[in-house]
Amino acid sequence: QVQLVESGGGVVQPGRSLRLSCAASGFPFSSFAMHWVRQAPGKGLEWVAGTSYDGSTKYYADSVKGRFTISRDNSKSTLFLQMNGLRPEDTAIFFCAREGTATTAGTLCYWGQGTLVTVSS
Amino acid sequence: DIQMTQSPSTLSASVGDRVTITCRASQSISRWLAWYQQKAGKAPKLLIYKASSLESGVPSRFSGSGSGTEFTLTINSLQPDDFATYYCQQYNNYPNTFGQGTKLEIK
Repeated sequence: QVQLVESGGGVVQPGRSLRLSCAASGFPFSSFAMHWVRQAPGKGLEWVAGTSYDGSTKYYADSVKGRFTISRDNSKSTLFLQMNGLRPEDTAIFFCAREGTATTAGTLCYWGQGTLVTVSS
Repeated sequence: DIQMTQSPSTLSASVGDRVTITCRASQSISRWLAWYQQKAGKAPKLLIYKASSLESGVPSRFSGSGSGTEFTLTINSLQPDDFATYYCQQYNNYPNTFGQGTKLEIK
């Protein structure tokens, strides 16, 4: 079955960097677009970034553009989010999510359990 | 960027009720709208895609409608398991954007 397992979260000081990983299994990872979505404590969902199946196309929310970089290693079925210049407002649970198939392409059909990033001095 | 506005923010209802949640887009998104359910401490779950198509395994009491800028999620005969927070998401354009969420509470 599809599994997405995020890791790399933790407590980091403002201005520092963190790299999140999402290990995928149970499906042909290199065939699907992938995304990161975050949720600040007690708040709603915010789409953060997405990448095409081959990593050639990447999109970002305005709030993270220029600071975060999404990437993937299809040989290791792993999605990454490099986060630089972290701010307190980046504190959130970060979820990785897989897009659906042809009919559900564009939607987020499978989600990991999330990893918590806390930006605080 | 396309803004998504959900209403109401909170909805109180009883088991067996029929409820409707509205989502409005700041510009036309055709039918590229999805609805998700999220329970406390859990990842969201896809319910509806392309405005009105039910995701596999989702009970038929859930339905979606709309196109352009106005969309609705309807839940018929509310069950105890349905009390959660619901989000709409547009995937017509990047950046994809979510509504702010509607919390469905037990009356």
